[in-house]
Formats: sequence, C-alpha cells, structure tokens
Amino acid sequence: ETGVTQTPRHLVMGMTNKKSLKCEQHLGHNAMYWYKQSAKKPLELMFVYNFKEQTENNSVPSRFSPECPNSSHLFLHLHTLQPEDSALYLCASSQDRESYEQYFGPGTRLTVT
Amino acid sequence: AQSVAQPEDQVNVAEGNPLTVKCTYSVSGNPYLFWYVQYPNRGLQFLLKYITGDNLVKGSYGFEAEFNKSQTSFHLKKPSALVSDSALYFCAVRESNYQLIWGAGTKLIIKP
Repeated sequence: ETGVTQTPRHLVMGMTNKKSLKCEQHLGHNAMYWYKQSAKKPLELMFVYNFKEQTENNSVPSRFSPECPNSSHLFLHLHTLQPEDSALYLCASSQDRESYEQYFGPGTRLTVT
Repeated sequence: AQSVAQPEDQVNVAEGNPLTVKCTYSVSGNPYLFWYVQYPNRGLQFLLKYITGDNLVKGSYGFEAEFNKSQTSFHLKKPSALVSDSALYFCAVRESNYQLIWGAGTKLIIKP
C-alpha cells in the first residue's frame, strides 16, 4: 500500500445527485492532488493543494469543488455531473509540490447515469 | 507547450524476453522525466526518474530507462520480462510549475 487511501472505491450517481470523494494520506506530506483518469487518455490534473492552499485549478468545471481541511485530507465534492464525467478519480500526495515523486491512492471509479 | 507521447497503446512480450516501452517528449529546457506503473485496480506507482547525470537510470522491479537527448526519448526497458510486469505504464515530464504532463499510457502484456 502507498499510504494514500480513497473512499468510496466505486460510486454510481445520477446527474442530479450530490456526493463527495474522500482522500486521506498517512505519509506526512504537504501537497495533495486530484487527477481524472479516462481510458486511453493522459491523466488530467484537476487541483493541487500545497500546505492546505489551492495552487492550481486546471480549468475544471464548477460542478467539481475541492476541499482541503488539513494536510492529510482532501475531498472532491460533486454536484450536477454529466455522463462524460464518468472516470477513475485519483488522489495523490507528495512531500510538497516541488517533490519529484507522487504517491497515488487506488482511485474512485465514478459512473454518472 | 510541453508534451509526452507514448506511441504504442499496447506492447506484447513473451516472458523472459527483453521489453521496451517507448516514450518521446517535447520540452523547452532540460527535461525532468518519469515513469509510473499502474497495476489493475491500483493507483500509480513511481518507477524511476531522470533529472540529470547518467543517461541510464535504474528503478524499481528491475526496470531501467535510457534518456536520449538527441532523439528526445526516454524509453523504459527490462532485460527479462515477468508475467507480473503486465500493467499500464505511464511516462511523464515535469513542467516549470512542477506539474506533470502525462502520456496516454501503454498497456504491457507479458505472455507465459
């Protein structure tokens, strides 16, 4: 295990639902990331937090809302999603945003119906 | 803009044979290059990186990668493939703002 956990592992939601994805890291890291992984496409960086401050928002639609209450926890709040948002959502952490190595959680498989 | 290309969607290798997974990049300045592996139902795991120095970089699980500046390539290699090496492999390059630009991934299948 990498020390990064994600819950739930699978989520099916309708387009009008509101749900949240949770990520927790037990590595003492200060940077956390949300990525979207779609089949046969490069990973898409969504958000970056460094020492609890959001440093990057890569043109992500407002229906995705991140929250980082402390350096160990990261949430992704979801509302009024679209079917094309179905993907694997990966959380990662690193010592800080300048560190070379990122540690990934197993991901949440999201299906929007 | 910086970019990474993994020209093969899938690579098939017989167990015991050498394997190569290809990666080419386009960057301004000196590249910082990475390989990650994703096993089924798992997150990505760091394999190795090139920052500077020796063009042949050694990493986890017996993998190595060769940095070739003239060909702008960073191919992943292993002398003798194992069935357990079957996974999805991602190449990435780091931008000046520390973000990683990822390739689309290459599925490696090792057949017994």
